[in-house]
Parts: sequence; structure tokens; C-alpha cells
Amino acid sequence: AQTVTQSQPEMSVQEAETVTLSCTYDTSESDYYLFWYKQPPSRQMILVIRQEAYKQQNATENRFSVNFQKAAKSFSLKISDSQLGDAAMYFCAYNGATNKLIFGTGTLLAVQP
Amino acid sequence: EPEVTQTPSHQVTQMGQEVILRCVPISNHLYFYWYRQILGQKVEFLVSFYNNEISEKSEIFDDQFSVERPDGSNFTLKIRSTKLEDSAMYFCASSGVDAGANVLTFGAGSRLTVL
Repeated sequence: AQTVTQSQPEMSVQEAETVTLSCTYDTSESDYYLFWYKQPPSRQMILVIRQEAYKQQNATENRFSVNFQKAAKSFSLKISDSQLGDAAMYFCAYNGATNKLIFGTGTLLAVQP
Repeated sequence: EPEVTQTPSHQVTQMGQEVILRCVPISNHLYFYWYRQILGQKVEFLVSFYNNEISEKSEIFDDQFSVERPDGSNFTLKIRSTKLEDSAMYFCASSGVDAGANVLTFGAGSRLTVL
């Protein structure tokens, strides 16, 4: 069975600085998708960025980018120029052949002004 | 931007009562899901639904739960005889086909409080 591990329960970053959230996963599948979701206090799940496993190039969405290391099964999220609105819970998620998302336990990000 | 709509946003019920949570997925999506998040815990998969039948369900999704697509737009989760531990945020999600099948769009969630 696939698993997703987020080893950082909480992280803090100064406004305008850069922060990296870690995620590792375990799977025997070769074709899958990886995601980062943001959950603000409203508790809505918002897709931040996605990565197809067959693509070697790291995905980027404005200030958000990933470092995808397929061999190491690592999928970290980098947030550049952090803003107060980035404060939220961030979930790493895996989606493979069964087409159901498997979530990590989340990292609570605080942004200090 | 198409979105998944969930109602109610918050429901309070007495233990033992039946609850129906409603979802309107994105109109051209074919895969539908329910997830649950107990406060302070991770998001857990409950059930997936495709072609008018359950395609997969988790251990959590026991006989107390059922899903239905009563018409062409709604997708419902029914919880019979609610228990205290059913208190959680319930998220509906949908996804499309082909390259879009793996990208789920979530609704804003329905918070269920069982007293």
C-alpha cells in the first residue's frame, strides 16, 4: 500500500523569506501523480501544485515550486517570497492506479510579519 | 472557474439521527469522491463512485454509510444512525477523464457535529 509521510508537523517562516516543506512517499507504482494542497482556517482544500511522475521537470506555479526526486521518493514544496496569506496547513498527497488521493498528516505553516 | 458545491456547510445533529450531505460535482466530471477529516487529523478517503456505482471504499465506509447519485447533478453521502465519532469535516471531490482523472477538485466541505 502507498503511504505519504510529512515529517514536519509545524514550520515557521518570516514574511518575504523562502521555506521548504518536506514530503516522502512509498509506492511500487511507476506512474502516479503527486500534489500539494493548502488548507487555510476555512478548511477548504485548495490545490497548490501537481507533479506527474513521468515528468522529470519540476513543476512551478508562480511562487510555488517542487523538488521531485523520483528515485528517493521525495516531493518537497518550496514557497518563495512568503506572504501572510500563505499561512495554512499544507498536505502532500499521492494519486496512483486506484485513483484515490492518499494524504500525509500535514504541515502547519506560520508566516511571521 | 468550475467548482464543487457542498451543502450544508455545517450541520448539528443528535446521536442516532440520519444525516444526508449533498454535493454538486463539476458538470463534466465522471468520478466522485467523499473524504473525511476529523479535527486535527489528516484527510481520509471514504469512497469513490464512477458509472453509477461504488468503485472503491475504505474500511471506514461501513454499512452506516451509503452514497447515491439520485439525479444527473447531485451526489449524496448518507450517514445512518450517527455516532459521536462521526463528527468531522466531510469533503466531496470530483475529477474528469483522461489526463484530468487524477486531479481532484474539492468542495468547501460540510462540517458535521454529532451531539
